[in-house]
Amino acid sequence: GAVVSQHPSRVICKSGTSVKIECRSLDFQATTMFWYRQFPKQSLMLMATSNEGSKATYEQGVEKDKFLINHASLTLSTLTVTSAHPEDSSFYICSALGQGPYEQYFGPGTRLTVT
Amino acid sequence: LAKTTQPISMDSYEGQEVNITCSHNNIATNDYITWYQQFPSQGPRFIIQGYKTKVTNEVASLFIPADRKSSTLSLPRVSLSDTAVYYCLVGSKGSQGNLIFGKGTKLSVKP
Repeated sequence: GAVVSQHPSRVICKSGTSVKIECRSLDFQATTMFWYRQFPKQSLMLMATSNEGSKATYEQGVEKDKFLINHASLTLSTLTVTSAHPEDSSFYICSALGQGPYEQYFGPGTRLTVT
Repeated sequence: LAKTTQPISMDSYEGQEVNITCSHNNIATNDYITWYQQFPSQGPRFIIQGYKTKVTNEVASLFIPADRKSSTLSLPRVSLSDTAVYYCLVGSKGSQGNLIFGKGTKLSVKP
């Protein structure tokens, strides 16, 4: 089946710095990718929809200037958390929309810890 | 986008069949029903998908009644490794393909 990877799997950064998370579709092209955030013992919360070659669509309450999304190619989307704060510490998961009637493939997630 | 309602938690024992039902009263004509499994600190993993009636694969079955307002995920003979959170989602590419996750069902399998 289709594989989506994320890098890094975990990252620790200092408050005020920025960190970039990569999401790649390894064996298929994805014009649409999604970014989710998951806090402990909670469900996944959709942050934004990333479309190749165009601006991302952010969900209500998600700051577009803080969470920068770039989808420059059909296999790569990046999420940059700018000026990170401890409250941004979370599990970030990306997914990619497949070619079938309706298929969404998830990455393994990235654990971000801001100290 | 259709919202879903599932039981918050379920307990089972090894070897039993587990059925998790999900309600999606506002499902749209183009929506598919998809179930995912998630272990702690991992991304969701696809289990099964269906549109109507019954779908079966090597790990589960999905039962969908004619009105499609609910669906039931059936896991035959669960093992300890099936302990996870199970999410039922509905969506389609017509709705831009994004999925809204509900709270999911935490399944605990005991020996």
